[in-house]
Amino acid sequence: AQKITQTQPGMFVQEKEAVTLDCTYDTSDQSYGLFWYKQPSSGEMIFLIYQGSYDEQNATEGRYSLNFQKARKSANLVISASQLGDSAMYFCAMRERELGNTPLVFGKGTRLSVIA
Amino acid sequence: DAEITQSPRHKITETGRQVTLACHQTWNHNNMFWYRQDLGHGLRLIHYSYGVQDTNKGEVSDGYSVSRSNTEDLPLTLESAASSQTSVYFCASSDSDRSPGNEQFFGPGTRLTVL
Repeated sequence: AQKITQTQPGMFVQEKEAVTLDCTYDTSDQSYGLFWYKQPSSGEMIFLIYQGSYDEQNATEGRYSLNFQKARKSANLVISASQLGDSAMYFCAMRERELGNTPLVFGKGTRLSVIA
Repeated sequence: DAEITQSPRHKITETGRQVTLACHQTWNHNNMFWYRQDLGHGLRLIHYSYGVQDTNKGEVSDGYSVSRSNTEDLPLTLESAASSQTSVYFCASSDSDRSPGNEQFFGPGTRLTVL
């Protein structure tokens, strides 16, 4: 069975600083996909970034990058130049098979607060 | 624009009543999912469907049922609501395109309170 662990219930970061949100995963599958979603206080789930298990390079999307360390089974989210609007819950998730449509398994989330 | 909607957005019901939460998507996606979100648990899978007439149980399916009669809708029914089912419910959908990063699109959520 797949499992996602996010060990940081809450984090604070100064505006304009970079922050890393930790995510470790457990799976016996060779092929899998890793996702990060953002949930602002308004409640919607916003897709941020994706990393496939066979991707050799770390994924990047604007100010978001995913630090993928396959041997350590970690998929940390790095947010550069934090903004006040980045304050939200962040969820790490995975699915079996890199190419597929299977359900997601979520971590418990990390609440990020950006301080002016 | 294509979208995924949920109704109602908020509902209060009593223990023992049957409740149905609606989910409607105009993406024409084959795959639809129901999750519940509780403090300290993140999102957990209730049921999912890969197409019309297909339904599958998730991690926390007890007390819930779904049916898929068309591509656009996957209603979630609580047969006899319990206080433990007080939660925020999210519907999601995804395409059958087998491309990397084929993410799930989420509805706005339904906040259900069972008294």
